[in-house]
Amino acid sequence: EADIYQTPRYLVIGTGKKITLECSQTMGHDKMYWYQQDPGMELHLIHYSYGVNSTEKGDLSSESTVSRIRTEHFPLTLESARPSHTSQYLCASSDSTGPRTDTQYFGPGTRLTVL
Amino acid sequence: GEDVEQSLFLSVREGDSSVINCTYTDSSSTYLYWYKQEPGAGLQLLTYIFSNMDMKQDQRLTVLLNKKDKHLSLRIADTQTGDSAIYFCAEMGPGGSYIPTFGRGTSLIVHP
Repeated sequence: EADIYQTPRYLVIGTGKKITLECSQTMGHDKMYWYQQDPGMELHLIHYSYGVNSTEKGDLSSESTVSRIRTEHFPLTLESARPSHTSQYLCASSDSTGPRTDTQYFGPGTRLTVL
Repeated sequence: GEDVEQSLFLSVREGDSSVINCTYTDSSSTYLYWYKQEPGAGLQLLTYIFSNMDMKQDQRLTVLLNKKDKHLSLRIADTQTGDSAIYFCAEMGPGGSYIPTFGRGTSLIVHP
């Protein structure tokens, strides 16, 4: 039902590398979110966006940055990856209008391992 | 701030009913959601309920909402091994924050 995509699905990278995790949605949703989730653990909101050129930091402090230049695209960048960044990263989007207002739809996630 | 609590684990036998419980603190919640997460995947929306409803049924799923006690439950009838996953409860408050509060998830284990 929800068309939200994340690439790559899995990434193993060395310490100090710059990485960008991609998230795209084709539903025209105005709001997008990034969550960090350790295995079997709760979700932590790290970034969100209410629309183009709008980005905010979430509850969990993160060394990552995001941008929202286009409605459908919300990439997350780590300038210098560290082993502590090893986690699953989930992207989500939601819509302010329609019958399921504000319901979040999630992508499949990116599993990041930093060696 | 808002808080959503769930028990961490539930084990049931295949064919039995599963009941996953959730409590929340925000009495002004407008929407309450249940998501399912299978290993290595994102969260899949299972169902949601408006805060002015008491019950919602969708095939094998029944959601019960007790606003007085701020208690939400998800009942899965005839539980199958494919139902094994982590189930997240979430609530959305009013006020336009657009950010739901998630519980920590309940790991449902279905055994033969």
